[in-house]
Amino acid sequence: KAGVTQTPRYLIKTRGQQVTLSCSPISGHRSVSWYQQTPGQGLQFLFEYFSETQRNKGNFPGRFSGRQFSNSRSEMNVSTLELGDSALYLCASSWELRGGPTDTQYFGPGTRLTVL
Amino acid sequence: AQKITQTQPGMFVQEKEAVTLDCTYDTSDPSYGLFWYKQPSSGEMIFLIYQGSYDQQNATEGRYSLNFQKARKSANLVISASQLGDSAMYFCAMRDGSYDKVIFGPGTSLSVIP
Repeated sequence: KAGVTQTPRYLIKTRGQQVTLSCSPISGHRSVSWYQQTPGQGLQFLFEYFSETQRNKGNFPGRFSGRQFSNSRSEMNVSTLELGDSALYLCASSWELRGGPTDTQYFGPGTRLTVL
Repeated sequence: AQKITQTQPGMFVQEKEAVTLDCTYDTSDPSYGLFWYKQPSSGEMIFLIYQGSYDQQNATEGRYSLNFQKARKSANLVISASQLGDSAMYFCAMRDGSYDKVIFGPGTSLSVIP
């Protein structure tokens, strides 16, 4: 079974631009979560989508948004990029109907975004 | 509030030796799951092992085992017979019934020395 895939793997953008990252979950997985990882802040939860609905949201500004499609694929968008948005963006998928304590997340390889 | 603590920012271990990576957690929910992930320099987070709060036995997966001490709220990862490929960041994570999101600790950097 194919794992979680993320595209693109690397991106270089300039301040003020916007960017869209894509995530395809493991086949059959219905939940997709996004995380931002930086050396200073560690892993921070962005949002989670289930059945095309945002179920949870982290403490990020409105410039960060996402969506999920009917095939469970997800995209996240960052508008008006800032230097501090440079990070590794990780997508994770999980299977269970409703996220619970046993719901294991499986991660993709990440998209490394550099903002100049 | 939920919290994960990993007090060892970096560790070294000799190849073929065993190593324990510490993790303590805090939650008021009696139902929770604990996870360990490995992140090599390539960046991908690799799921290693899971322990449920109601599991009677410590979880094991190959060379990985979890030393689960519920009363102390600790879930230490034990890697037996370390290999050079075990050099990576290791993250402890938790999800409980109160919140749908997973929270991660700051991670421990493990270096295996030949």
